[in-house]
Amino acid sequence: NAGVMQNPRHLVRRRGQEARLRCSPMKGHSHVYWYRQLPEEGLKFMVYLQKENIIDESGMPKERFSAEFPKEGPSILRIQQVVRGDSAAYFCASSPISDSYNEQFFGPGTRLTVL
Amino acid sequence: DQQVKQNSPSLSVQEGRISILNCDYTNSMFDYFLWYKKYPAEGPTFLISISSIKDKNEDGRFTVFLNKSAKHLSLHIVPSQPGDSAVYFCAASRRDSGGGADGLTFGKGTHLIIQP
Repeated sequence: NAGVMQNPRHLVRRRGQEARLRCSPMKGHSHVYWYRQLPEEGLKFMVYLQKENIIDESGMPKERFSAEFPKEGPSILRIQQVVRGDSAAYFCASSPISDSYNEQFFGPGTRLTVL
Repeated sequence: DQQVKQNSPSLSVQEGRISILNCDYTNSMFDYFLWYKKYPAEGPTFLISISSIKDKNEDGRFTVFLNKSAKHLSLHIVPSQPGDSAVYFCAASRRDSGGGADGLTFGKGTHLIIQP
């Protein structure tokens, strides 16, 4: 059973370009979470999605950032008009549908560098 | 306002001894707590968790203790091994209205160094 997959692993963009980060959850998992980690910081929650629904986007900046988890295909975190402050590691996690708690399984992350 | 705090940025422990990592939280709505281990350039790996209805959970060399009245939890690793050297993150969660769990709130991590 493959783990959470993220691509690309490294992404370099110039200021003003768009960044698209992809996440394929573990098989059988229908909950996807995105987190951002700045240097020397912990992971910060950004958005929580289930298939075709955004459940909680309270941690996502109001502008330039969007996320989706379509019925088919991976979840996408999209950052428009990137700025240097967007440089960070972006992690995706998934968990199975359940009426009890489950741990979140993390992917290897995408390291975004904005020049 | 940090809701989950790990006040020790680093901890050095001799191989074979016990490692104790501490975590404090402020939000009384949290009811599920997790510990993750992270190596550089990798994603966090789940270690162990505990529900707020318990005060201890054990899995092999790892034990998590929860003191709800003090809003404090700790991770004990015994005996410590060289491969345990990593950054350890404490995380907290609460149930959402749909029965799933909110996004995790992480501490800043503690870098554990196991010395031979």
